[in-house]
Amino acid sequence: DTEVTQTPKHLVMGMTNKKSLKCEQHMGHRAMYWYKQKAKKPPELMFVYSYEKLSINESVPSRFSPECPNSSLLNLHLHALQPEDSALYLCASSREGGMNTEAFFGQGTRLTVV
Amino acid sequence: DQQVKQNSPSLSVQEGRISILNCDYTNSMFDYFLWYKKYPAEGPTFLISISSIKDKNEDGRFTVFLNKSAKHLSLHIVPSQPGDSAVYFCAASRRDGQNFVFGPGTRLSVLP
Repeated sequence: DTEVTQTPKHLVMGMTNKKSLKCEQHMGHRAMYWYKQKAKKPPELMFVYSYEKLSINESVPSRFSPECPNSSLLNLHLHALQPEDSALYLCASSREGGMNTEAFFGQGTRLTVV
Repeated sequence: DQQVKQNSPSLSVQEGRISILNCDYTNSMFDYFLWYKKYPAEGPTFLISISSIKDKNEDGRFTVFLNKSAKHLSLHIVPSQPGDSAVYFCAASRRDGQNFVFGPGTRLSVLP
């Protein structure tokens, strides 16, 4: 199993909603990541969960909050989002903590905030 | 300030010919470089990598060349196939995996 599974694939939410994106991997990887990708732009790192330690890109607003229930799961909780948060949200994992090893990406969740 | 640059937003190549995608970086602390390929509606997939102790790494039709003095790397695909049509992201990181950065991407179109 070399897959990173993200659910849902598509999500439309209002600005007052609370929703969660889920990400799961069963490769025994020790690091998981959330990226945000806007159209025609490269993925931008939001959060890293590596060896049970969370690292945050400080430019990410607090309306995004990650949660790591166990080493195979990394959720992204969304609350009071803005229309400009509409993007493709990508989850990734890597064997070691650090993207200098091959990272496996999920197919992404296409989020639309209305 | 972009630390990883891919100055060609798009590239078109005839099937069977060589595709050369270029990448430049500014941060001299980078010493590990990766290429990812991305199809529409899918996540990026890892293609090939190279560490700064090498100047070439080859995997089948894909070869990455690194010129550390010029802070430049390139991805060669030969022969190019229509299925190679995708967006290619260059990425760089420090040896410890920190400060990982994607370039803006180059859209490759391989024409039959």
